[in-house]
Amino acid sequence: GESVGLHLPTLSVQEGDNSIINCAYSNSASDYFIWYKQESGKGPQFIIDIRSNMDKRQGQRVTVLLNKTVKHLSLQIAATQPGDSAVYFCAENKDNFNKFYFGSGTKLNVKP
Amino acid sequence: ETGVTQTPRHLVMGMTNKKSLKCEQHLGHNAMYWYKQSAKKPLELMFVYSLEERVENNSVPSRFSPECPNSSHLFLHLHTLQPEDSALYLCASSQDNGRQPQHFGDGTRLSIL
Repeated sequence: GESVGLHLPTLSVQEGDNSIINCAYSNSASDYFIWYKQESGKGPQFIIDIRSNMDKRQGQRVTVLLNKTVKHLSLQIAATQPGDSAVYFCAENKDNFNKFYFGSGTKLNVKP
Repeated sequence: ETGVTQTPRHLVMGMTNKKSLKCEQHLGHNAMYWYKQSAKKPLELMFVYSLEERVENNSVPSRFSPECPNSSHLFLHLHTLQPEDSALYLCASSQDNGRQPQHFGDGTRLSIL
């Protein structure tokens, strides 16, 4: 499944499938990006980050892709599990090391 | 100890009450933040403290008053709040030495009667 994070707030996928969550960021000068996962009743949890000198970064079961030309960021989750059900949102940062701008988020529902 | 701890987890208060939210981080970070999270809206940055000095005040009403007595503790003092202040208040911390992710607590769910 694929979702534009700010326009389709809910993404439903089958357990075991790959998920792709998208984020369109606003500032072409942004050079540092983070994906967060927020489960119900909890605070945002850091998943993975990427700097603008990279196009791709991989973690455990997750991959972040950055396309600076179109100001687009995506999070790919391989073999999605029920525990991946949460709201995912991206954050961008430009010249201020401690000021991030957050997206509204995409809710991921994993169907068993 | 979890990385960033917030207390209380839930708070219900009247508009004339005075209360405080507490945040403690055990990560050795030197920057701390308060965010407001309302339903279906992006996180709103309220305050930033770096090395115990306030470096950001994002046009927050004076009925919210932050305090950072040391690099591990952050408070948000509340007084004369309005119903629209009902939200989840999140605390975060990070290392202030370049591009570093912020680590969040689980928040205080605040309801104003």
